[in-house]
Amino acid sequence: NAGVMQNPRHLVRRRGQEARLRCSPMKGHSHVYWYRQLPEEGLKFMVYLQKENIIDESGMPKERFSAEFPKEGPSILRIQQVVRGDSAAYFCASSPTRDTGELFFGEGSRLTVL
Amino acid sequence: GEDVEQSLFLSVREGDSSVINCTYTDSSSTYLYWYKQEPGAGLQLLTYIFSNMDMKQDQRLTVLLNKKDKHLSLRIADTQTGDSAIYFCAESSQGGSQGNLIFGKGTKLSVKP
Repeated sequence: NAGVMQNPRHLVRRRGQEARLRCSPMKGHSHVYWYRQLPEEGLKFMVYLQKENIIDESGMPKERFSAEFPKEGPSILRIQQVVRGDSAAYFCASSPTRDTGELFFGEGSRLTVL
Repeated sequence: GEDVEQSLFLSVREGDSSVINCTYTDSSSTYLYWYKQEPGAGLQLLTYIFSNMDMKQDQRLTVLLNKKDKHLSLRIADTQTGDSAIYFCAESSQGGSQGNLIFGKGTKLSVKP
């Protein structure tokens, strides 16, 4: 059973470009979470999605960031017009049920903004 | 606001016990978690404890919870070099979904041979 798959593992963008990060949850998991880890910091919750629905986006910046989890295909975290402060590791996690903190994390996508 | 605090570094010798401490603020958290992150990898759930428990043991791992002081600790017995990693304490966010976790900054455990 493959784990949570994230790609790309590393992404370099120039200021003003768009970044798209993809996440395929573990087989049988329909709940997806995105977290951001800034250098020397712990992980910060961004958004929680189920298929086709955003359940909790309390940690998402109000502008430039969006997330989706379509009926078919991976979940996508999209960052428009990236700035240097967006440089971070973005982790996706999945879970088989709703009300659990037992999350299965991917290896992360490391975004560098030049 | 909600916060989880951990010491940043811990160094032990192989074979000794390691104790990683954590304090949290949200007394309504149902579960408290310990995650492990190895270099370049994602987080892996190590263990968790339900808030009405004082202690949980799982092989070399012992979790102690002092709810009155909002203090959580993780003890690793017979620490091995393979235990070198960053250990994160986490609690569920008040009012958020259970998967909306508040993480500490992590404690980097270094194990010397």
